[in-house]
Amino acid sequence: KNEVEQSPQNLTAQEGEFITINCSYSVGISALHWLQQHPGGGIVSLFMLSSGKKKHGRLIATINIQEKHSSLHITASHPRDSAVYICADYSGGGADGLTFGKGTHLIIQP
Amino acid sequence: EPEVTQTPSHQVTQMGQEVILRCVPISNHLYFYWYRQILGQKVEFLVSFYNNEISEKSEIFDDQFSVERPDGSNFTLKIRSTKLEDSAMYFCASAGHRNTEAFFGQGTRLTVV
Repeated sequence: KNEVEQSPQNLTAQEGEFITINCSYSVGISALHWLQQHPGGGIVSLFMLSSGKKKHGRLIATINIQEKHSSLHITASHPRDSAVYICADYSGGGADGLTFGKGTHLIIQP
Repeated sequence: EPEVTQTPSHQVTQMGQEVILRCVPISNHLYFYWYRQILGQKVEFLVSFYNNEISEKSEIFDDQFSVERPDGSNFTLKIRSTKLEDSAMYFCASAGHRNTEAFFGQGTRLTVV
């Protein structure tokens, strides 16, 4: 059974700091999602990647398939980045649905 | 930009009542999903739907749950006889193809009293 672990669970940082959130998974996957969940509850897709690195604005996601590990980085963090960041993966092997991590609750203080 | 829409945003129902949660996926997508998130817990997969039938379901998706795509646009989740523990946020998602980027609706907060 696939397990998705995230660290840290909670992170408070000052505006402008470089943020790293980590995600590990236990079985081989076909693709990994990084998602953002705001206090209202809605979920927004940030990235989906199966290899290498992707960049979108101040967000960068990397994945190492051999080590079963992915990271989400935020450069020049801003209070509006405050949210829960979740990684989720498609486990492969016929599994259709995403397996979610518990999320990292990020607070950026001005 | 195309989006997944869910209605209602919040529903309160009495225990034992039937509820139907509605979703309009992105129009050219082929895979549809329901997920739920109990307050304070992680998001959990309920069911996937493709080609007008259930593709996969989790152990949470028991006989009390059913899904339908009645008219080619709406995608519904029905809970036949709600229990207190069904209180959660329910998310619909759609994807163009299997194991590709999923787009989520804003969720329906179901409260069973």
